[in-house]
Amino acid sequence: GAGVSQSPSNKVTEKGKDVELRCDPISGHTALYWYRQSLGQGLEFLIYFQGNSAPDKSGLPSDRFSAERTGGSVSTLTIQRTQQEDSAVYLCASSFPQSGGDTGELFFGEGSRLTVL
Amino acid sequence: GENVEQHPSTLSVQEGDSAVIKCTYSDSASNYFPWYKQELGKGPQLIIDIRSNVGEKKDQRIAVTLNKTAKHFSLHITETQPEDSAVYFCAASITGNTPLVFGKGTRLSVIA
Repeated sequence: GAGVSQSPSNKVTEKGKDVELRCDPISGHTALYWYRQSLGQGLEFLIYFQGNSAPDKSGLPSDRFSAERTGGSVSTLTIQRTQQEDSAVYLCASSFPQSGGDTGELFFGEGSRLTVL
Repeated sequence: GENVEQHPSTLSVQEGDSAVIKCTYSDSASNYFPWYKQELGKGPQLIIDIRSNVGEKKDQRIAVTLNKTAKHFSLHITETQPEDSAVYFCAASITGNTPLVFGKGTRLSVIA
């Protein structure tokens, strides 16, 4: 079946421009996560959507970063006025909560590689 | 918030030998500890997880141990094969309530 789909796979932009990254989660998955992977820095949590609850935005590094999830499915991560330090791979993951509310397996997309010149 | 430390950052082993990766966490309330494997150009994939009500879990050549008192957990891979070469991430969270916090990863190279 279809996995988590992310687009674009690669994006090169100039400093100061805005970018949008898209994530299509697995159908039926109610939880959606964005992580950032910089060289040598592991996976840095950005934002988490769970069903109709208010998103957990505690990982967003600055107010230049925002994300939305429309209709409980597709999500868009927007970075305004990009800076060189925003260069990284942005990974999206989705999951389906287990019985009893336990954390389910995260299914990751292949990521969007952002390069800010 | 939770902080997860992982070591070593790189590990090279001969094919057939064992590999051990260790992680520590800071939040004693964390109770879910998964391990993910990331191959080049792909997203991470879950390989094994453990919840705080058990101390060890095995799945064929991989095993995870958890010491809640010391707040550390480890991944053990036995009889390593070249296809085990990848980046491995540990993570911790309070299941169902908080997003996973990942370690910085271990690049494992299995030398044939």
